[in-house]
Amino acid sequence: EPEVTQTPSHQVTQMGQEVILRCVPISNHLYFYWYRQILGQKVEFLVSFYNNEISEKSEIFDDQFSVERPDGSNFTLKIRSTKLEDSAMYFCASSPGTSDRTDTQYFGPGTRLTVL
Amino acid sequence: AQSVTQLGSHVSVSEGALVLLRCNYSSSVPPYLFWYVQYPNQGLQLLLKYTSAATLVKGINGFEAEFKKSETSFHLTKPSAHMRDAAEYFCAVSNYNNDMRFGAGTRLTVKP
Repeated sequence: EPEVTQTPSHQVTQMGQEVILRCVPISNHLYFYWYRQILGQKVEFLVSFYNNEISEKSEIFDDQFSVERPDGSNFTLKIRSTKLEDSAMYFCASSPGTSDRTDTQYFGPGTRLTVL
Repeated sequence: AQSVTQLGSHVSVSEGALVLLRCNYSSSVPPYLFWYVQYPNQGLQLLLKYTSAATLVKGINGFEAEFKKSETSFHLTKPSAHMRDAAEYFCAVSNYNNDMRFGAGTRLTVKP
């Protein structure tokens, strides 16, 4: 069964450094998402991406964040200058793209980002 | 924007007992509701979803949920808990922008 994959599983970085989290969505899916989950808190939406552009983003997704689909298979989340509060589990998701709210989103296993 | 509230951050049941995980929603438009499960060190897996068809929705692993508009609820149930059901369960609503809004999660513990 096709699945969303994410690398690395755990990333440790120093405050102020740039990190790139990588995701490979399910191959025929059209919508891509990033969510984060700070330890002990709820899963929060960051951004959705469709047709090579951001379709929606939350207030969390500020100028420090960017997303890209560089090569037609990968979907990346970049954090330009990490802060301690960026430490969280980051989940990538994809959906087939029926473009309505009933579309099921399939989640990857997550990347745990630790900012020291 | 739509939102969901999960009542009870931690639920503990005995193996074979009924599982009831509570979720209430707030929505200005007809909601589309989801339950996801997160096993330790894994991602989120869809259990079931409500998309305005039948109000009683059956999912994987014997779980089901009933949409009750009058109570703005979408509680998750399973008649008989198994040890393997121990996990974190998240209720979510699909926002009109197609992003998911999750509840805080309920950790289910199953005692032998």
